[in-house]
Amino acid sequence: QVQLVESGGGVVQPGRSLRLSCAVSGFTFSNSAMNWVRQAPGKGLEWVGVISDDGSNKYYADSVKGRFTISRDNSKNTLHLQMNSLTTEDTALYYCARDLGGYAFDYWGQGTLVTVSS
Amino acid sequence: EIVLTQSPATLSLSPGERATLSCRASQSVSRSLAWYQQKPGQAPRLLIYDASNRATGIPARFSGSGSGTDFTLTISSLEPEDFAVYYCQQRNYWLFGGGTKVEI
Repeated sequence: QVQLVESGGGVVQPGRSLRLSCAVSGFTFSNSAMNWVRQAPGKGLEWVGVISDDGSNKYYADSVKGRFTISRDNSKNTLHLQMNSLTTEDTALYYCARDLGGYAFDYWGQGTLVTVSS
Repeated sequence: EIVLTQSPATLSLSPGERATLSCRASQSVSRSLAWYQQKPGQAPRLLIYDASNRATGIPARFSGSGSGTDFTLTISSLEPEDFAVYYCQQRNYWLFGGGTKVEI
């Protein structure tokens, strides 16, 4: 069955960096665009960014542009989110999600929690 | 930037009742709108894409309608497991609405 498993979350100080990963199984990862979505505690969903199936195209929300970088390793069925210059505003549960051909996000992981605090 | 406004923020209903949730876009998004359900402690689940297409495995009591700027998610008869938060999302930078909580 389809599984998306995020990892790499934790507590980090403001200004520091963190790298999240999303291990995928159950579908052809190399044929799918992938997204990161986050949710601050008690708040709604915020799209973070997307990477195309071959990694050649990436788009980001304005709130993370220039600080976050999405990458993927199709040989390892793994998605990454490199987060630099973290602020307390980045505290959230981070989900990876598969892009349903540009229509919506059909598969989601369970999320990994990032807490930015001094 | 297209903004999605969901209403009401909270909908208080009983099992068996009909739920009607609204999502309004600040400018036309054609039919490029999706709906998700999120229960506490769980990841969102895709319900509807392209305004009215049910995702795989979604019960027929869930239906979506609308185009342009006004969209509706209807749950024809609420089951106990349907009490949750619902989000709409549009394809322009994948922005989400603020959510509607359907509570008992």
